[in-house]
Amino acid sequence: SAVISQKPSRDICQRGTSLTIQCQVDSQVTMMFWYRQQPGQSLTLIATANQGSEATYESGFVIDKFPISRPNLTFSTLTVSNMSPEDSSIYLCSVDGQGTDTQYFGPGTRLTVL
Amino acid sequence: GENVEQHPSTLSVQEGDSAVIKCTYSDSASNYFPWYKQELGKGPQLIIDIRSNVGEKKDQRIAVTLNKTAKHFSLHITETQPEDSAVYFCAASRGNNAGNMLTFGGGTRLMVKP
Repeated sequence: SAVISQKPSRDICQRGTSLTIQCQVDSQVTMMFWYRQQPGQSLTLIATANQGSEATYESGFVIDKFPISRPNLTFSTLTVSNMSPEDSSIYLCSVDGQGTDTQYFGPGTRLTVL
Repeated sequence: GENVEQHPSTLSVQEGDSAVIKCTYSDSASNYFPWYKQELGKGPQLIIDIRSNVGEKKDQRIAVTLNKTAKHFSLHITETQPEDSAVYFCAASRGNNAGNMLTFGGGTRLMVKP
């Protein structure tokens, strides 16, 4: 399985600011996914990021709030813009298992917005 | 779209006992069903998965069963150990023919008492 790292691992931010989260994979992958996990809750897909194309956002998530970059096959960023306390969550990236149905997850970024 | 229900939300067992977590799904086209274990402060880790052409799969103390007709699948953990304590998530997907999109259940917090 792929080895996935995320930066930062955690952060405390002030409302109204933005934070960019990085996701790095040790091998080339086709699809990368970004999820939000609110405190004590399950995982909700924010968007799918394929290299060379615009990210595809799920219902309830918009590009202005969560812009995503996918400059190459091993890296992606998610920005949480104009943050409010409601954005306090764990943000997780995952990657597809290259020709399989499987997804592998990174360790997550724990965000607290004051 | 797909809807995945997971029960129970919390489960407490004595060390050495078995634990069973059940999930139902709504989309009859779903054909891939992974289970993830999430320990505190970590990302979800894939522990076992099953595809729709198989009714049961086992890996040491962990097994998963699938009933396609009834649209439900279950995780069975035998001889539970304290290190099995975590939150477990089931998920359903139409597989990589549909972009590997995963829909997650609500999660089960398993506590194994020594």
